[in-house]
Amino acid sequence: QQQVKQSPQSLIVQKGGIPIINCAYENTAFDYFPWYQQFPGKGPALLIAIRPDVSEKKEGRFTISFNKSAKQFSLHIMDSQPGDSATYFCAASRGFSGGKLIFGQGTELSVKP
Amino acid sequence: KAGVTQTPRYLIKTRGQQVTLSCSPISGHRSVSWYQQTPGQGLQFLFEYFSETQRNKGNFPGRFSGRQFSNSRSEMNVSTLELGDSALYLCASGQGAGEAFFGQGTRLTVV
Repeated sequence: QQQVKQSPQSLIVQKGGIPIINCAYENTAFDYFPWYQQFPGKGPALLIAIRPDVSEKKEGRFTISFNKSAKQFSLHIMDSQPGDSATYFCAASRGFSGGKLIFGQGTELSVKP
Repeated sequence: KAGVTQTPRYLIKTRGQQVTLSCSPISGHRSVSWYQQTPGQGLQFLFEYFSETQRNKGNFPGRFSGRQFSNSRSEMNVSTLELGDSALYLCASGQGAGEAFFGQGTRLTVV
């Protein structure tokens, strides 16, 4: 019930394409869903996050879509660039449980020029 | 504002030794969480401290411990190191719920 399942494990797209990464969760008590981007040798960087009262959120080229009934959320990267090549992690947490984040397994994205 | 600072960046230790890792959170943040990152297990939550009290704990053996000081700085200790403890250890700070900002991590290698 604490798991967050992420797919695909890896993804290759051409520059300008729209990679989509999906996550699914079981615990309906989760109320905060962030996405992190991690480059080799660096810590994860917070990209964008959403709460269950919103179905979509956009920040720049990054969009989260959230489907509360299906317990799924996804990250879309518009007009992807080679510089977006990184590992992306979805996560979930429960407000009352403080800073504990449950992470998906990660998606390695490669954007070809 | 300065980001989350972790020291040291790299460590090599021998099996059976103990190690202490340090984390300085973003100024004003009272929550500090620790995570272990490995290729096989991904990012796993170790524990969280808030205002010097452990608020959450993950499923790690008692060899993993931590503490937080009154200035919110945190340390993590691993005793009796095992080869399987080799990992990137990440610290994240936040206001206590929601947003968490990670440091660059400490790469621990146990030989």
